Amino acid sequence: AQSVTQPDIHITVSEGASLELRCNYSYGATPYLFWYVQSPGQGLQLLLKYFSGDTLVQGIKGFEAEFKRSQSSFNLRKPSVHWSDAAEYFCAVGAGERSYNTDKLIFGTGTRLQVFP
Amino acid sequence: KAGVTQTPRYLIKTRGQQVTLSCSPISGHRSVSWYQQTPGQGLQFLFEYFSETQRNKGNFPGRFSGRQFSNSRSEMNVSTLELGDSALYLCASSFGGGAGREQYFGPGTRLTVT
Repeated sequence: AQSVTQPDIHITVSEGASLELRCNYSYGATPYLFWYVQSPGQGLQLLLKYFSGDTLVQGIKGFEAEFKRSQSSFNLRKPSVHWSDAAEYFCAVGAGERSYNTDKLIFGTGTRLQVFP
Repeated sequence: KAGVTQTPRYLIKTRGQQVTLSCSPISGHRSVSWYQQTPGQGLQFLFEYFSETQRNKGNFPGRFSGRQFSNSRSEMNVSTLELGDSALYLCASSFGGGAGREQYFGPGTRLTVT
């Protein structure tokens, strides 16, 4: 069965520092992978997605993620964190096979990012 | 373009009651999915509708049900509420092409069961 692991529950960084949030997935084939961000009391906003092709994916707000098949990872990175990046970040994998029509996502447990000035 | 809207935003119900939550997808989107978010279980998939048909269903009891209307708006219903149903219920919409399509989430409905 598909699954997503985010090993870090809580990360604290200083403003201006670089950031890497880890995500590992379990999936039998080439996955669809996503990163979402959730601010307190809000819904989820899509940061970026990987479908195929270039393994380095650029997203909004200066985020990028790299798909590494050999490590079953899809880590999220940002070179310089801003105080407004403080939020919870979720990694997700598309649950369906590529030939199967479903939008179902399987989410990791999330990483809460705290940013110190 | 208006985003996904969910009503109501907040709801307080008593154990044993039933509740209906509403979701209006982005214009042109035909797929609506529902998720339950709790501190203990995280984000869990409830069900998915496409063109008024349930396309996929999560592992929730039959007290949780949903439907989709011809204008793609969706409702979910929870009958005989339990304390454990307290959660943020999120709705997401997409064009409905299947795995990999971008989904856009609404702000959620915060349900508190007392």
